[in-house]
Amino acid sequence: KAGVTQTPRYLIKTRGQQVTLSCSPISGHRSVSWYQQTPGQGLQFLFEYFSETQRNKGNFPGRFSGRQFSNSRSEMNVSTLELGDSALYLCASSLASGAPVGNEQFFGPGTRLTVL
Amino acid sequence: AQSVTQLDSQVPVFEEAPVELRCNYSSSVSVYLFWYVQYPNQGLQLLLKYLSGSTLVKGINGFEAEFNKSQTSFHLRKPSVHISDTAEYFCAVTGGGIYNTDKLIFGTGTRLQVFP
Repeated sequence: KAGVTQTPRYLIKTRGQQVTLSCSPISGHRSVSWYQQTPGQGLQFLFEYFSETQRNKGNFPGRFSGRQFSNSRSEMNVSTLELGDSALYLCASSLASGAPVGNEQFFGPGTRLTVL
Repeated sequence: AQSVTQLDSQVPVFEEAPVELRCNYSSSVSVYLFWYVQYPNQGLQLLLKYLSGSTLVKGINGFEAEFNKSQTSFHLRKPSVHISDTAEYFCAVTGGGIYNTDKLIFGTGTRLQVFP
């Protein structure tokens, strides 16, 4: 079974641009979450989607948005990039078949975004 | 609000020695606890998790952890480490009375460095 895939793996953008990152969950997984990892702030939760609905959102500005498609694939978008958005963006998927009870999340390799 | 504290940012140890990575959490209600490992340029891999039941949890690669409710701790241990265990280790928590999410709250990580 293929794992969580994220594209692209590396991105270089300049300030003010926007970027879209893609995540394909493990087949059969309906929940997708996004995390931002930086040396200064560590791993921080961005959003969580389940069956195309945003179920939870972290404390990030409105420039960060996401969505989930009917095939459970997810995208996140960052508009008006800032230097501080440089980070590793990790996507995770889980089965989440019912009320979450410590569902194991499977992480992708991440997308390394560098903002110049 | 839930939080996770990993007291040691770095733990150096010689090969074949035992190691303990410390994790304390803050929550007034039941939580689910996880340990993840991150190798360079990779995503996170689940080592083990505690949902309920036996407080001693065994995971992959010879790791184990003990849930201690009175001390709100979930320390990770391995009796004999290998060079290949060199990585970043993250403790994480979810639940805490909020059951409609898989959102993970992570500690700041512990860098385990194994020397020959």
